[in-house]
Amino acid sequence: EDQVTQSPEALRLQEGESSSLNCSYTVSGLRGLFWYRQDPGKGPEFLFTLYSAGEEKEKERLKATLTKKESFLHITAPKPEDSATYLCAVLSGGYQKVTFGTGTKLQVIP
Amino acid sequence: NAGVMQNPRHLVRRRGQEARLRCSPMKGHSHVYWYRQLPEEGLKFMVYLQKENIIDESGMPKERFSAEFPKEGPSILRIQQVVRGDSAAYFCASSPRMENTIYFGEGSWLTVV
Repeated sequence: EDQVTQSPEALRLQEGESSSLNCSYTVSGLRGLFWYRQDPGKGPEFLFTLYSAGEEKEKERLKATLTKKESFLHITAPKPEDSATYLCAVLSGGYQKVTFGTGTKLQVIP
Repeated sequence: NAGVMQNPRHLVRRRGQEARLRCSPMKGHSHVYWYRQLPEEGLKFMVYLQKENIIDESGMPKERFSAEFPKEGPSILRIQQVVRGDSAAYFCASSPRMENTIYFGEGSWLTVV
């Protein structure tokens, strides 16, 4: 069975303090890895899709990277509005079944 | 996010009643997925449908839960004889085809009293 583990569970940063979130996975035949952002009371908002090891994607202060066993979401000089839960998910197998991790809750303090 | 439409956003049901959650996918998307999120837990896959077909329902409880995606109209997640443990956020997502990113709606929050 596919497994996705995210760490840390929670992270508190000062505004401007860069850090990284980790997503490690065990799947049979990775077809894609996704990062989403979820605010309280809202649906997950798509951020990135990565398909192969070595791939990188960037968007504003966020950068996602992928290796054969894990993915990192790097946050550079975060702002309070970056506070949210960040979800990692993997697509594998013969059907479109996306498996999610439990997320990292990020709080950025002014 | 705004493209996948879910309703109702909030639903309160008494134990034993039925809950019907509706989902209209983004324009051009023919693949629909339902996920459940319990408080302080991750998103759990329930079912994957294409028009008029259930492709994967491995995450769906065997009893009381059913899903459909008819040729015309929205996808429906139906929960019969609800119990307190069914209280959760139910998210619908859609994609244009396999191998594509799935996009989520804003969710339907079910409370069973």
